[in-house]
Amino acid sequence: EAQVTQNPRYLITVTGKKLTVTCSQNMNHEYMSWYRQDPGLGLRQIYYSMNVEVTDKGDVPEGYKVSRKEKRNFPLILESPSPNQTSLYFCASSFYPGTEAFFGQGTRLTVV
Amino acid sequence: GESVGLHLPTLSVQEGDNSIINCAYSNSASDYFIWYKQESGKGPQFIIDIRSNMDKRQGQRVTVLLNKTVKHLSLQIAATQPGDSAVYFCAEIPNYGGSQGNLIFGKGTKLSVKP
Repeated sequence: EAQVTQNPRYLITVTGKKLTVTCSQNMNHEYMSWYRQDPGLGLRQIYYSMNVEVTDKGDVPEGYKVSRKEKRNFPLILESPSPNQTSLYFCASSFYPGTEAFFGQGTRLTVV
Repeated sequence: GESVGLHLPTLSVQEGDNSIINCAYSNSASDYFIWYKQESGKGPQFIIDIRSNMDKRQGQRVTVLLNKTVKHLSLQIAATQPGDSAVYFCAEIPNYGGSQGNLIFGKGTKLSVKP
């Protein structure tokens, strides 16, 4: 089954404790991206990756890092989480930029 | 800044009626638009897309209309069913083919279907 898998689904952490949210897709997509979803603000892109070892900032990259060492994986790293990063995060992938994106189930992160 | 927005945040319809969800966009350079459906607890799911060289596209029970003159996009759902209850997002991709493929989402419209 074609899918984008994120882990964990739910995470509660404390301010400053580094965390990683994993994302994996099995569709051989080149393009992957991370979004955060906040009430009243909709979905905003954090980072994206055009291919292996190619990443770039989206609209709200501050406080986040990503890596793309393999085509299928695109982890989101929060080096020092802060409460304003409490949000619902989605990973997405597509064959190439500007086409239908497949989204993961989401990761609800709470930073206290 | 340029953004994609929605006229109505909520929409309630009777089961069996047709639904129309509207979206206004401001980036005249956008040439690709997508409608997504997001059910509670799930990620957005692709419904239908349309290129700027088209003004109408039909899928199964859904139709997307694009009016470039007034920068307006709409999603029509025929014979709305309880399973259609969700939040619907329009998204645009500015300068398709030359951009990084950044989907710019609207705020969303919550559709509630009354049995």
